[in-house]
Amino acid sequence: DAGVIQSPRHEVTEMGQEVTLRCKPISGHNSLFWYRQTMMRGLELLIYFNNNVPIDDSGMPEDRFSAKMPNASFSTLKIQPSEPRDSAVYFCASSLNLAGGRGRTGELFFGEGSRLTVL
Amino acid sequence: DQQVKQNSPSLSVQEGRISILNCDYTNSMFDYFLWYKKYPAEGPTFLISISSIKDKNEDGRFTVFLNKSAKHLSLHIVPSQPGDSAVYFCAASRRYKLVFGAGTILRVKS
Repeated sequence: DAGVIQSPRHEVTEMGQEVTLRCKPISGHNSLFWYRQTMMRGLELLIYFNNNVPIDDSGMPEDRFSAKMPNASFSTLKIQPSEPRDSAVYFCASSLNLAGGRGRTGELFFGEGSRLTVL
Repeated sequence: DQQVKQNSPSLSVQEGRISILNCDYTNSMFDYFLWYKKYPAEGPTFLISISSIKDKNEDGRFTVFLNKSAKHLSLHIVPSQPGDSAVYFCAASRRYKLVFGAGTILRVKS
């Protein structure tokens, strides 16, 4: 049973370049989250999708960040142009969110993360 | 605005003893509280949770206690094992949103 799959695992790029991170959620899950982990701020929620629709993007730092979920099995997080302060580990997580929020415990299943270094 | 705080960056415990990890929160609207464990180069994995209507939940060596009046929860691990060495994140949930603390590094010495 495959978990959440993220790619690439590591990305080193130069400032100004475009970065695309990819995520395949667990099959059957209807909620997808992008988190960013840094030493200073810990794990921050960037964006949340429910049934492929972005519900909350209030955590997206600025217009340089964008995320899409074209179908239930794929999502991307894009940074354009990238800056050194974007260096972090980016996690994708998925869950099954029951209708009306009933039974929702908040348990998320995380991928192994994409470590981004912007030079 | 840190809604979930883990004030101890690290904790060191001897194998076989109890590990107690603490967490404070500010938003009384949170309805679930969770603990996640994270090993290096891996994503966080769910450990245990507790509903806001309960004050204790136990699962094997792991017990989570919730004190709503103090807006405080704790994770007890007993007995601690070297394999428990990891980063532990406290998280609080309201509807879909999961807010994490900064994490506590637990080291269990053998």
